[in-house]
Amino acid sequence: ELKVEQNPLFLSMQEGKNYTIYCNYSTTSDRLYWYRQDPGKSLESLFVLLSNGAVKQEGRLMASLDTKARLSTLHITAAVHDLSATYFCAVDRWTGNQFYFGTGTSLTVIP
Amino acid sequence: EAQVTQNPRYLITVTGKKLTVTCSQNMNHEYMSWYRQDPGLGLRQIYYSMNVEVTDKGDVPEGYKVSRKEKRNFPLILESPSPNQTSLYFCASRTGSGELFFGEGSRLTVL
Repeated sequence: ELKVEQNPLFLSMQEGKNYTIYCNYSTTSDRLYWYRQDPGKSLESLFVLLSNGAVKQEGRLMASLDTKARLSTLHITAAVHDLSATYFCAVDRWTGNQFYFGTGTSLTVIP
Repeated sequence: EAQVTQNPRYLITVTGKKLTVTCSQNMNHEYMSWYRQDPGLGLRQIYYSMNVEVTDKGDVPEGYKVSRKEKRNFPLILESPSPNQTSLYFCASRTGSGELFFGEGSRLTVL
């Protein structure tokens, strides 16, 4: 069974601080996705990481992928309140058909 | 505007009363899939479809059926709903880069 684990599950951080969310997965996969979900809303795609060593950045968020370690990180730089949301990582099997999600990291940025 | 549209958005029903949640996308995507979201469990894939008339089970297919008669539509059918199917359901289609494009969600309560 493929497992995707995120750490931490809950994160409360002050504005202006940096932090990293970790995503570990249990099977070989070269593709990893990060999504954001605002309370009561749908999921929105943030990043698609398609190969080992891939790094993508958008604003204060930067995602990276290490397929050998089966680890992805989502780094938050100088957090602002607007980043408060739940963040999910997901992987798909090599066939690209089945998706597996982590349990999510609920991020709260406080002034 | 690119959209995945789900209906109904909210539904309260009783055990055993058949229901269908519709899903339609206007992006001509071949791949569509259904997920349920439960607290502490993240999203779990129910069924997916690679194309018209091609469907397959995801991680939690028990108690659900799907059909894919047209490319744009992928309804989720609960033949005899039970309380453990109370959940938030998302339909998604997959873009060319592999990421999922989600609908707004359908919150189902089975009494």
